[in-house]
Amino acid sequence: DGGITQSPKYLFRKEGQNVTLSCEQNLNHDAMYWYRQDPGQGLRLIYYSQIVNDFQKGDIAEGYSVSREKKESFPLTVTSAQKNPTAFYLCASSLLQGGPEAFFGQGTRLTVV
Amino acid sequence: DAKTTQPTSMDCAEGRAANLPCNHSTISGNEYVYWYRQIHSQGPQYIIHGLKNNETNEMASLIITEDRKSSTLILPHATLRDTAVYYCIVRVAGYAGGTSYGKLTFGQGTILTVHP
Repeated sequence: DGGITQSPKYLFRKEGQNVTLSCEQNLNHDAMYWYRQDPGQGLRLIYYSQIVNDFQKGDIAEGYSVSREKKESFPLTVTSAQKNPTAFYLCASSLLQGGPEAFFGQGTRLTVV
Repeated sequence: DAKTTQPTSMDCAEGRAANLPCNHSTISGNEYVYWYRQIHSQGPQYIIHGLKNNETNEMASLIITEDRKSSTLILPHATLRDTAVYYCIVRVAGYAGGTSYGKLTFGQGTILTVHP
């Protein structure tokens, strides 16, 4: 079945360590996105990519990095520079034209202790 | 993108219609109204979108006022599985100015609780 796969569902890391969250899609979508969600809040855009080897910062990019080496994959690295990394992270993908919707993965809940 | 205002929470009895309002008084002529919902600890799911005409699909109906300053999402026969956070989002449709469909600005949404 086509869709977006995020792994793992739950992730625990020690403070000061970098951690990479995986996002893979087989929908043949050009665009992919990373959002962060804190308890009781809406989603906030971290980074997005509309084409391979290119990406743009969203509203809260500080402390995060991404790469887009393949159309199907858009991994997010939470670096030690991110002051409050504990959150629910959601990946999404969409067409560039002929949408109308974005498709979201099931999320990764990251806890930094 | 225009800002939206939604009630924080609403309740609905199972089997009854759920009417979720959204105010978007600063909406521009080329901006669409989108609705997504997020069931607890899952990713958001697209529901419906519209420009100025009322829209209906298998999930819901969208009623947009004539002046386009507000809209209502209607779930005609709510079930317990419709309990979720519902987000009303206003954005330019399509790949306009480099912003693709997934670049969305989420507010806090409306928590809809459907009771037995």
